[in-house]
Amino acid sequence: GAVVSQHPSWVICKSGTSVKIECRSLDFQATTMFWYRQFPKQSLMLMATSNEGSKATYEQGVEKDKFLINHASLTLSTLTVTSAHPEDSSFYICSASFPPRASGQETQYFGPGTRLLVL
Amino acid sequence: SQKIEQNSEALNIQEGKTATLTCNYTNYSPAYLQWYRQDPGRGPVFLLLIRENEKEKRKERLKVTFDTTLKQSLFHITASQPADSATYLCALDMGSSYKLIFGSGTRLLVRP
Repeated sequence: GAVVSQHPSWVICKSGTSVKIECRSLDFQATTMFWYRQFPKQSLMLMATSNEGSKATYEQGVEKDKFLINHASLTLSTLTVTSAHPEDSSFYICSASFPPRASGQETQYFGPGTRLLVL
Repeated sequence: SQKIEQNSEALNIQEGKTATLTCNYTNYSPAYLQWYRQDPGRGPVFLLLIRENEKEKRKERLKVTFDTTLKQSLFHITASQPADSATYLCALDMGSSYKLIFGSGTRLLVRP
């Protein structure tokens, strides 16, 4: 259980185009999802926290107008990289929290990641 | 400043030995500490969670300790196997906002 999928797994695009990445929780409902970015040989950096039905909370230094997040349902969150540039090339990973926090055992289940290359 | 430190150099050990990885942090007071495994080009996979009031947690060949006085967690893999080769990440969980703060990870190489 607790499987998270991402689509696409990799994408190559031209500079200036927008790219949408989907994150789905397949067998559970996730009120909270997270988006991370990881550069080679570096750790995961949290970009934003996505809450179902409300606006995402962005970490300091992350441009919310560039990285649009939509969490329209309990099983789907999307990240759109708008007007992508080569410096946006990275590994983008989403995660979803499960089980509920009150259980004391809440952890995050991660998707397989999406590799973005902007030419 | 707030920091999470994991040994950036790879840990290279012989199959069958115990691998010990270290996670140190400063200026944080986590409610939980979690360990994840990450293989190249893949998302992290949850391994163990330990609470601030727990000293030790075990799961099969894995053992985690958590010393809130030293602000340190140790992650042990006993009877290591080549399949254990991966990068291991520690993550601090503050307990209130669901957010995880990750260390940079330590790469483990287990030689057959």
